[in-house]
Amino acid sequence: EPEVTQTPSHQVTQMGQEVILRCVPISNHLYFYWYRQILGQKVEFLVSFYNNEISEKSEIFDDQFSVERPDGSNFTLKIRSTKLEDSAMYFCATRGWGEQYFGPGTRLTVT
Amino acid sequence: QKEVEQNSGPLSVPEGAIASLNCTYSDRGSQSFFWYRQYSGKSPELIMFIYSNGDKEDGRFTAQLNKASQYVSLLIRDSQPSDSATYLCAVNPLTQGAQKLVFGQGTRLTINP
Repeated sequence: EPEVTQTPSHQVTQMGQEVILRCVPISNHLYFYWYRQILGQKVEFLVSFYNNEISEKSEIFDDQFSVERPDGSNFTLKIRSTKLEDSAMYFCATRGWGEQYFGPGTRLTVT
Repeated sequence: QKEVEQNSGPLSVPEGAIASLNCTYSDRGSQSFFWYRQYSGKSPELIMFIYSNGDKEDGRFTAQLNKASQYVSLLIRDSQPSDSATYLCAVNPLTQGAQKLVFGQGTRLTINP
């Protein structure tokens, strides 16, 4: 069964450093999403991406965040200058026509 | 502010019984509704989705939707210890485009052998 994959599974970085989180969507899916979940809190929407452009973003998704699909397969989330409060699980999700399927997540720890 | 509310639990149910999980949402225009299961430290796993008023059954799971009351529920029949997890209700608000999900805080379910 096709599934969404994400790398790395765990990333530790120092405050102020840039990180790139990677996702490989299910192959025939057209819509891509990033969500995050701070420990013990709700899953929160960050951004949606369709047809090589952002279709919607949340208030969390400020100028420090960016997304791209550099090679037609990977879908990436970049955080330019990480803050302590960026520590969270980051989930990629993809959608064909209906439901969203989530990847296993990347645990980001900012020290 | 589009909200999705769930009782955070914990909800404790004996093995073999029916577990009933509830969710309310604030955006009356919401069109589609999802239940995800999340084990500790893992990602959300899609269990059920429902788009129309009424009941939808899939194996041991039944999703129920009442748009007039802005209420969606999940019933798990013949509960098993492996059903112990946090259940997330997610709603797609009425928006154009890519259809983000708004999640509730989740209900932690424990099935007691």
